[in-house]
Amino acid sequence: DVVMTQTPPSLSVAIGQSVSISCKSSQSLVYSDGKTYLHWLLQSSGRSPKRLIYQVSNLDSGVPDRFSGTGSQKDFTLKISRVEAKDLGVYYCAQTTHFPTFGGGTKLELK
Amino acid sequence: QIQLVQSGPELKKPGESLKISCKASGYTFTDYAMQWVKQAPGKGLQYMGWINTQTGKPTYADDFKERFVFSLETSASTAYLQINNLKNEDTATYFCARDEQYWGQGVMVTVSS
Repeated sequence: DVVMTQTPPSLSVAIGQSVSISCKSSQSLVYSDGKTYLHWLLQSSGRSPKRLIYQVSNLDSGVPDRFSGTGSQKDFTLKISRVEAKDLGVYYCAQTTHFPTFGGGTKLELK
Repeated sequence: QIQLVQSGPELKKPGESLKISCKASGYTFTDYAMQWVKQAPGKGLQYMGWINTQTGKPTYADDFKERFVFSLETSASTAYLQINNLKNEDTATYFCARDEQYWGQGVMVTVSS
């Protein structure tokens, strides 16, 4: 199985600050079609997960451009600029290049 | 709009079985596989596998090859997760999902004697 390692496991942030979350995979996530199937999801408290970004850097509809995703091969980053209260929750990276797996999650909390 | 609506919470005893439903609407059911994800209390997301909605062929992650069964009722645009011989460690919320983009509301399953 592809192991997805997210760091840090938790982050304390003040409203308006920017944060970054790292996600590293144990194997390259480049598929045979040349695309990289690495996604970012947010699970707010008591809710179902919501996908924010697909294929490394593409924002889902309605997701503000304060969110951005970068990376390649095995190393990926989610950046949130100007954090708002509604951004709080647990962020997961997920890969579907190989048999799908999730990262362990990063909990974003208010400082 | 695309929706995945799951059945209600379950309270079961060890050794019993249950079947959770996930009804899809707003798209052609057989155009997309249906995924299943487990979330134990206070834990992260664990991918269980998926079912091909055109062929009915299920694919299970290693941890879910025993006791877990994915099935379909295509005419009703509904996917099912059956768990047999329930164990305490099956206590969790179970989500169905399409493409990691659309998620059901989750079904909380509690297994307790």
